[in-house]
Amino acid sequence: KQEVTQIPAALSVPEGENLVLNCSFTDSAIYNLQWFRQDPGKGLTSLLLIQSSQREQTSGRLNASLDKSSGRSTLYIAASQPGDSATYLCAVRGAGNMLTFGGGTRLMVKP
Amino acid sequence: GAVVSQHPSRVICKSGTSVKIECRSLDFQATTMFWYRQFPKQSLMLMATSNEGSKATYEQGVEKDKFLINHASLTLSTLTVTSAHPEDSSFYICSARDSSGRRNEQYFGPGTRLTVT
Repeated sequence: KQEVTQIPAALSVPEGENLVLNCSFTDSAIYNLQWFRQDPGKGLTSLLLIQSSQREQTSGRLNASLDKSSGRSTLYIAASQPGDSATYLCAVRGAGNMLTFGGGTRLMVKP
Repeated sequence: GAVVSQHPSRVICKSGTSVKIECRSLDFQATTMFWYRQFPKQSLMLMATSNEGSKATYEQGVEKDKFLINHASLTLSTLTVTSAHPEDSSFYICSARDSSGRRNEQYFGPGTRLTVT
């Protein structure tokens, strides 16, 4: 059974810092990996999707990497802003074409 | 990107009543839709997977007679919480997969906050 772990569970940084969120998964047989953002009481917004054949994806200040063989992905946020404060969820699509979510990282960027 | 809507966004009901939540894919056809449940400060837990025109597949521990799912068209799935109790209070999120796309991506609705009093 696929298990997805996100570290840290919570993170508080001052505005302007570059930061890295970590995601690990136990079964490397995945189709793709997605990073989502969730604001309090809201649904999920897809940030980046990395196919299993890809190593990284970039969108603006966000960069996600994927090392499938080691079961790891990182989400890099450059020059963090207070508006980046949210919960970031990592999810992998694996056997049965199903998404398995990590527990999330709650990010607070202080002005 | 593709849009998934949910209605209502928030509902308060009395214990023992039933509540229906609608999930619609607005600009694509979704042969598969998913229903998730999320408790405060926790991640999403998959409740069931519904395929258009067939019975939903429920995850272990989810009562199919309590959480009725209907996926009658390629753009609409409904979740009915029957005889709701306070412990059913939660945030329910639906998701739809655009199977026609190469990316095989899932899109999520904005969620429905259910409070059972």
